[in-house]
Amino acid sequence: EAGVAQSPRYKIIEKRQSVAFWCNPISGHATLYWYQQILGQGPKLLIQFQNNGVVDDSQLPKDRFSAERLKGVDSTLKIQPAKLEDSAVYLCASSLDKNLDRGSNFGPGTRLTVT
Amino acid sequence: GQQLNQSPQSMFIQEGEDVSMNCTSSSIFNTWLWYKQDPGEGPVLLIALYKAGELTSNGRLTAQFGITRKDSFLNISASIPSDVGIYFCAGFNAGKSTFGDGTTLTVKP
Repeated sequence: EAGVAQSPRYKIIEKRQSVAFWCNPISGHATLYWYQQILGQGPKLLIQFQNNGVVDDSQLPKDRFSAERLKGVDSTLKIQPAKLEDSAVYLCASSLDKNLDRGSNFGPGTRLTVT
Repeated sequence: GQQLNQSPQSMFIQEGEDVSMNCTSSSIFNTWLWYKQDPGEGPVLLIALYKAGELTSNGRLTAQFGITRKDSFLNISASIPSDVGIYFCAGFNAGKSTFGDGTTLTVKP
């Protein structure tokens, strides 16, 4: 079974630029999560999708971050414009249902550096 | 929001030693999960706990769901070099997850 795929693996941008990350979840997984992991900290949930609907985006900085999951499969996370404090690893995870522990997998992450 | 205090922050041990780490919170959780993260990779689920007082093992790993539902413990017995990494606890309540800041484990051969 293929795991969660993310691209790119690394991205370096200047502040105020835009960036987009892509995630392809495990086939058949209805729930998709985007987490932000700042160096030295645990992952923090940004947004959770159930199929193509948003379940929880309470911690997503909506003035600059946006995410979509078209057709309930792949997802993209966008930051526009980026700030220095957005430097982090952005992790995508998917699970069979709304419970992260049920067959969940994390992707390898995209490491973003904002200069 | 809910916060988890994970300790210790880091550990340096000799190969063969046992390891203990824990997570505590002022909030109650319905599920506790323990993950391991290697450099450049995403976290991998090690153990899931669903009931207060539950004790679950996965090979050399044993985790417990605290009776108060506000804490959890992970023990690793007879550590080996490949146990090196960052261990995270995560608590779940009402569909929302909260992760600790991790315990970095270094194992000296």
